Amino acid sequence: DQQVKQNSPSLSVQEGRISILNCDYTNSMFDYFLWYKKYPAEGPTFLISISSIKDKNEDGRFTVFLNKSAKHLSLHIVPSQPGDSAVYFCAAMDSGGYQKVTFGIGTKLQVIP
Amino acid sequence: KAGVTQTPRYLIKTRGQQVTLSCSPISGHRSVSWYQQTPGQGLQFLFEYFSETQRNKGNFPGRFSGRQFSNSRSEMNVSTLELGDSALYLCASSLAGTGTEKLFFGSGTQLSVL
Repeated sequence: DQQVKQNSPSLSVQEGRISILNCDYTNSMFDYFLWYKKYPAEGPTFLISISSIKDKNEDGRFTVFLNKSAKHLSLHIVPSQPGDSAVYFCAAMDSGGYQKVTFGIGTKLQVIP
Repeated sequence: KAGVTQTPRYLIKTRGQQVTLSCSPISGHRSVSWYQQTPGQGLQFLFEYFSETQRNKGNFPGRFSGRQFSNSRSEMNVSTLELGDSALYLCASSLAGTGTEKLFFGSGTQLSVL
């Protein structure tokens, strides 16, 4: 049972345009959400996070939006750059306990120059 | 500061064998988590250790086990390997493994079971 769902396995975007990656979750206990980026042959690296008390968090070109009622979050990358081409994992957790992060299956983003 | 180090980088085993993977966390990090990555399932949580104690466990069979040493280094063992165990095994560390601490991942061990 996938508690964190990324329904788009891949996404292609032109350089300079906006990339929007989507994620849905089912577990109401999740109150903290993260995005990780993974390049081939490397481990995932933390990108951005958001607490359930917020609906938006921005860090440079990256913005994460959270819609709690819809149990949906999205990652916006503006403008997209070729170096952003990677697999993006949406992740969620219950911040009250010990770390057990639940990840989605990932979305492969390709930014075309 | 050195990152999370996982050894070996690649492993090829045959069905029925057992395997041990190693993880050295970032210096000062006491929590170590293990994840299995497969194309269709994404990253799945295996277990988390802190101060040599397993605090959390995912939904994996008992063939998957781990341990943590007093220097926070961790090992993961898979016994009686099956073809479906072929995956990238990722180790992650954090300071205390609580709240909203970021996970720092190693590059993983790619295990192929033939």
